Amino acid sequence: QVQLQESGPGLVKPSQTLSLTCTVTGGSITGDYYWSWIRQHPGKGLEWIGYIYNTGTTDYNPSLKSRVLISLDTSNRQFSLKLRSVTAADTAVYYCARSLFGVVVFWGQGTLVTVSS
Amino acid sequence: QSALTQPRSVSGSPGQSVTISCTGTSSDVVGSNYVSWYQQHPGKAPKVMIYDVSKRPSGVPDRFSGSKSGNTASLTISGLQAEDEADYFCCSYAGTYVFGTGTTVTVL
Repeated sequence: QVQLQESGPGLVKPSQTLSLTCTVTGGSITGDYYWSWIRQHPGKGLEWIGYIYNTGTTDYNPSLKSRVLISLDTSNRQFSLKLRSVTAADTAVYYCARSLFGVVVFWGQGTLVTVSS
Repeated sequence: QSALTQPRSVSGSPGQSVTISCTGTSSDVVGSNYVSWYQQHPGKAPKVMIYDVSKRPSGVPDRFSGSKSGNTASLTISGLQAEDEADYFCCSYAGTYVFGTGTTVTVL
């Protein structure tokens, strides 16, 4: 069974860069899948941030595109998220996930990132 | 990319049926056969309940069903049970993912 686990700082200062890593176990990271980051603001809905395919091709939410970078490290079975110039509005639970053909099947447990000085 | 519109909450008694709507536009729900629904219990990650508009993953009870008409997709829970009390999100994929605003289902 595929498992995903997010890791990274739970507190980031305004204007700095949020960095998270997702470690994949129990399955191939080089398979025909899309590796996504999705976030959920406190008490609110889900927001897709972006994904990376096993070829390194990426696509991002247009509203975040100018600040986001997703990368893949197949040797360590990880993929990462960097979100630049964060503000309080970026405070959310961040999920990493695996998707295919428009379905997000496997999710990490989520990690809360708070942006505050 | 605007979020898909869902009712904030729906409720029903055990054994009843509830339907959650998910309204989009021609650029998402209308033009996509990749509509999925996710159930989320408090403090937990979402779980896919329906994909490709109306397909159920293995292990999801058949009281959950999905459909789509025009720019609106729907999730129906028949024979409502206490464990169905949760938040539900629709999602449309047309190259990028757009999620719904979320609906809280309360079992009375």
